[in-house]
Amino acid sequence: DAGVIQSPRHEVTEMGQEVTLRCKPISGHDYLFWYRQTMMRGLELLIYFNNNVPIDDSGMPEDRFSAKMPNASFSTLKIQPSEPRDSAVYFCASSPSRTSYNSPLHFGNGTRLTVT
Amino acid sequence: GDSVTQMEGPVTLSEEAFLTINCTYTATGYPSLFWYVQYPGEGLQLLLKATKADDKGSNKGFEATYRKETTSFHLEKGSVQVSDSAVYFCALSDHNDYKLSFGAGTTVTVRA
Repeated sequence: DAGVIQSPRHEVTEMGQEVTLRCKPISGHDYLFWYRQTMMRGLELLIYFNNNVPIDDSGMPEDRFSAKMPNASFSTLKIQPSEPRDSAVYFCASSPSRTSYNSPLHFGNGTRLTVT
Repeated sequence: GDSVTQMEGPVTLSEEAFLTINCTYTATGYPSLFWYVQYPGEGLQLLLKATKADDKGSNKGFEATYRKETTSFHLEKGSVQVSDSAVYFCALSDHNDYKLSFGAGTTVTVRA
């Protein structure tokens, strides 16, 4: 089990540029989550998918953010255009079932995004 | 809505000291409660969990008891090690909603 794999680990970009973060969930996990972590706001759930379908995107901050899951083994989080306030660590997590008390989240190591 | 409040850090301890991190919750139903740990440069990992009142979760010497009467789930460890230095997150999940609500996190530093 390779765990949840995120890429890149670090991303530095200039304001206005497009940023794409990538995630490969654990094989067999039906749920995929994108979180954002900042000092000011802590951990925020942005969006989650079940069987590749977005279920709740109420945490996506604005239209500049979009997420896709074209298949069971890959998801992307895109920011276009990026702004300095988007600087944060973005985590992807997956889980094998709906009941969180039986199936804890498995987190990737995160992508640290810096927008200058 | 459901929420979690945990003690603010940072907390700095000497090795072999006793650690307590307070966590209280607000929920309309009967949530499951969790402690996650984040080591430097890594994602969060589940440390322990409890799914009903009076349950005690334990792992790696850490314990937490689900107290419905005080809506609390305090994390304790009797003798910390330098390797316990990390950020600790309390979290809850309603059984009808998959979402996990996380506390703000408490940074713990253990000095040799």
